[in-house]
Amino acid sequence: EVQLVESGGGLVQPGRSLRLSCAASGFSFDDYAMHWVRQAPGKGLEWVSGISWDSDNTVYGDSVKGRFTISRDNAKNSLYLQMNSLRVEDTALYYCAKGYGVQGVIDYWGQGTLVTVSS
Amino acid sequence: QSVLTQPPSASGTPGQRVTFSCSGSSSNIGSDSVTWFQQLPGTSPKLLMFSNDQRPSGVPDRFSGSKSGTSASLAISGLQSEDEADYYCATWDDSLNGWVFGGGTKLTVL
Repeated sequence: EVQLVESGGGLVQPGRSLRLSCAASGFSFDDYAMHWVRQAPGKGLEWVSGISWDSDNTVYGDSVKGRFTISRDNAKNSLYLQMNSLRVEDTALYYCAKGYGVQGVIDYWGQGTLVTVSS
Repeated sequence: QSVLTQPPSASGTPGQRVTFSCSGSSSNIGSDSVTWFQQLPGTSPKLLMFSNDQRPSGVPDRFSGSKSGTSASLAISGLQSEDEADYYCATWDDSLNGWVFGGGTKLTVL
């Protein structure tokens, strides 16, 4: 059974940093691309970033480009999102998701970790 | 403002057929396949349809998808109360070099 468990969320002040993690199990992690998708309270889904199976290809949404960095450790079956220069508008539930290639189908989602940016 | 346009709400009665639209452009729906996600209240999104019209294992055949040009649609026949959820379309955008989502359609089963 595919399992994606996010962690690292919390309350942080604007301008500070936070690192999210996603622990994957139930599939061959190093065969698949991974993504971060977020959902602001009461709002729709917004794709944040994606990374290829070998980390060679990383892509970002315009709203986070230059501030967020996606990475992965295939030996640890883990995905990360380093978030710098956080803004109030980054407040959201952050989901980790599994994909068939960076442009391929996103098929499984975790339960999410909540990031609240507030002074 | 979402790149893909979806009506914010839809409704139907049990047993009815409802359809959701998703409108994009040549750089997204016009050049790549569409994925649909279902998000039940308080839960994570779930893959409902991929490659425009393909259902993952476990998704009932009451759900169907299609694409034409720069628009896509999702249909649910034989509507059931448990179908009450938010439905999102998504696809890759070649110009933005990233995934784009619709704003979602909230389905209410009356």
